[in-house]
Amino acid sequence: DMKVTQMPRYLIKRMGENVLLECGQDMSHETMYWYRQDPGLGLQLIYISYDVDSNSEGDIPKGYRVSRKKREHFSLILDSAKTNQTSVYFCASSFGTGAYEQYFGPGTRLTVL
Amino acid sequence: GDQVEQSPSALSLHEGTGSALRCNFTTTMRAVQWFQQNSRGSLINLFYLASGTKENGRLKSTFNSKESYSTLHIRDAQLEDSGTYFCAAEWGTGNYKYVFGAGTRLKVIA
Repeated sequence: DMKVTQMPRYLIKRMGENVLLECGQDMSHETMYWYRQDPGLGLQLIYISYDVDSNSEGDIPKGYRVSRKKREHFSLILDSAKTNQTSVYFCASSFGTGAYEQYFGPGTRLTVL
Repeated sequence: GDQVEQSPSALSLHEGTGSALRCNFTTTMRAVQWFQQNSRGSLINLFYLASGTKENGRLKSTFNSKESYSTLHIRDAQLEDSGTYFCAAEWGTGNYKYVFGAGTRLKVIA
């Protein structure tokens, strides 16, 4: 059963705290993505990972970093979270890039107070 | 993103009727993917197209790369079709990435 999982599903943090969002997939997909979704907007790409330790900035990488040490796991890290990073974060994966559809996780709702 | 213009931004349909959603692109896109975001916030894959037309039940989607647009047709709308529909276009050279439209909020009314 093809699946993308995200942990945690809900998270409340205070400004300045560190945040770790985890994503896993069981499809051996090479490519994984982190997006954020804000009200009234589509998803915006934060980072893309083409394979283990092969990460590339997306459209809004500032304030975020990522880690991919195993193909099936992709982490999003916020060092010293800011209130404007309150958002819903989605992870996705695809077999590769170019002619491969994305599969999305259920999302993590992050609130930074 | 600026490269994807999605219309309309909102739409109300009576049950049993239909309509078309559209995405226009400002640059050449390699492929397009359509999603429905339901009331729980989950993104459900509807279609992935590199060209042509695909149909699945009451939904049909077309992607015309040359004329830079894609459409999603919904017929015989049902209450469970309510939600926000997004198109995501794949672009780039070498390593591709997706850019999303802002979405169409669809409400189906009994």
